[in-house]
Amino acid sequence: AQTVTQSQPEMSVQEAETVTLSCTYDTSESDYYLFWYKQPPSRQMILVIRQEAYKQQNATENRFSVNFQKAAKSFSLKISDSQLGDAAMYFCAYRRPDLIQGAQKLVFGQGTRLTINP
Amino acid sequence: NAGVMQNPRHLVRRRGQEARLRCSPMKGHSHVYWYRQLPEEGLKFMVYLQKENIIDESGMPKERFSAEFPKEGPSILRIQQVVRGDSAAYFCASALGLFTEAFFGQGTRLTVV
Repeated sequence: AQTVTQSQPEMSVQEAETVTLSCTYDTSESDYYLFWYKQPPSRQMILVIRQEAYKQQNATENRFSVNFQKAAKSFSLKISDSQLGDAAMYFCAYRRPDLIQGAQKLVFGQGTRLTINP
Repeated sequence: NAGVMQNPRHLVRRRGQEARLRCSPMKGHSHVYWYRQLPEEGLKFMVYLQKENIIDESGMPKERFSAEFPKEGPSILRIQQVVRGDSAAYFCASALGLFTEAFFGQGTRLTVV
């Protein structure tokens, strides 16, 4: 079974600085998707960024980028120029892309609570 | 274009009562997923439904929990004879198809007293 591990329960960063959140996963599949979701106090799950395993290029969305190391099964999220609105729980998630029954479900890590210090 | 709508946002039930959680997917979406989030934990998959069919219920507890997604109307997650351990946030996500992104609702926080 696939598992996702986030080893940092909490992180903090000064506003405008850069922070990196760690995520490792375990799978025997060669093709899959990885995601980072943000969950602010409102509880809404917001997709931040996604990465297809077959793509070697790291995904980037504005101030958010990932460092995807497939051999190491590592998928870290870098937030540049941190803003107060970035404060939230961040969840790493894994999903298989294939058509077999049940493949579409997301497997989440335990989450990292990010605090932004003004 | 309204997002995924879940109601109620908050639900309080006494032990032994039934809880019904509703999820209206985004317009045109026929795939629905339910997840449960215990305090300070990540979301855990419960069930995946398409219109009128349960595709994967591998994450559903064997007893007291059931889900449906009828041809008309919202998807319903039903918990019978609730216990304190059922207290959690329950999230619904919907998707247009198998290879498309799933969008989450804001969740229903169930409190069992």
